[in-house]
Amino acid sequence: AQKVTQAQTEISVVEKEDVTLDCVYETRDTTYYLFWYKQPPSGELVFLIRRNSFDEQNEISGRYSWNFQKSTSSFNFTITASQVVDSAVYFCALSEVNTGNQFYFGTGTSLTVIP
Amino acid sequence: EPEVTQTPSHQVTQMGQEVILRCVPISNHLYFYWYRQILGQKVEFLVSFYNNEISEKSEIFDDQFSVERPDGSNFTLKIRSTKLEDSAMYFCASSETGAYNEQFFGPGTRLTVL
Repeated sequence: AQKVTQAQTEISVVEKEDVTLDCVYETRDTTYYLFWYKQPPSGELVFLIRRNSFDEQNEISGRYSWNFQKSTSSFNFTITASQVVDSAVYFCALSEVNTGNQFYFGTGTSLTVIP
Repeated sequence: EPEVTQTPSHQVTQMGQEVILRCVPISNHLYFYWYRQILGQKVEFLVSFYNNEISEKSEIFDDQFSVERPDGSNFTLKIRSTKLEDSAMYFCASSETGAYNEQFFGPGTRLTVL
């Protein structure tokens, strides 16, 4: 079973539109961490955010915001006023207490922002 | 800003050959990792390394794979006898304090097995 599901394989938006990338996770641990990484066309993985399971406060960082809801096991990522430079593959990842050293990545969502 | 570096950026090898992928983690980090990403697929965990030994490994990390920290700065992944299906991007990562902390990824080594 997938621990992290990113149901949206590809999304295209027009520049300046808002876009939300979905992430649903599955774990039996009560303590866990969730992450988002960005993989631009150049291929590297860029850390965006970490959130622990005890902190359900939503977070905003510039045009980026994250909505963590334990009730639905979701950790969604919204980009406001998208820009062409946001075009990338975005990965959601989970780290659990019992297997704390490894990340379980979702399959990624490829975002294309059209100018 | 400190970063994880990997060499080479692209490695082409013949099936059955041994390859060594090299990584230099961030200097004050203690936990090291290898992941792989087959083209167009998700990133998959291979192995984690702490205190000079493997702390976790996945099913992918079979006897063909080994890791080593030969000195104070390098962290290597060796594939003894490469197979076609080993063709992938291999990412090294490091973290300062291990579990649950953000892992900083290198730029990756693209391995092509012919």
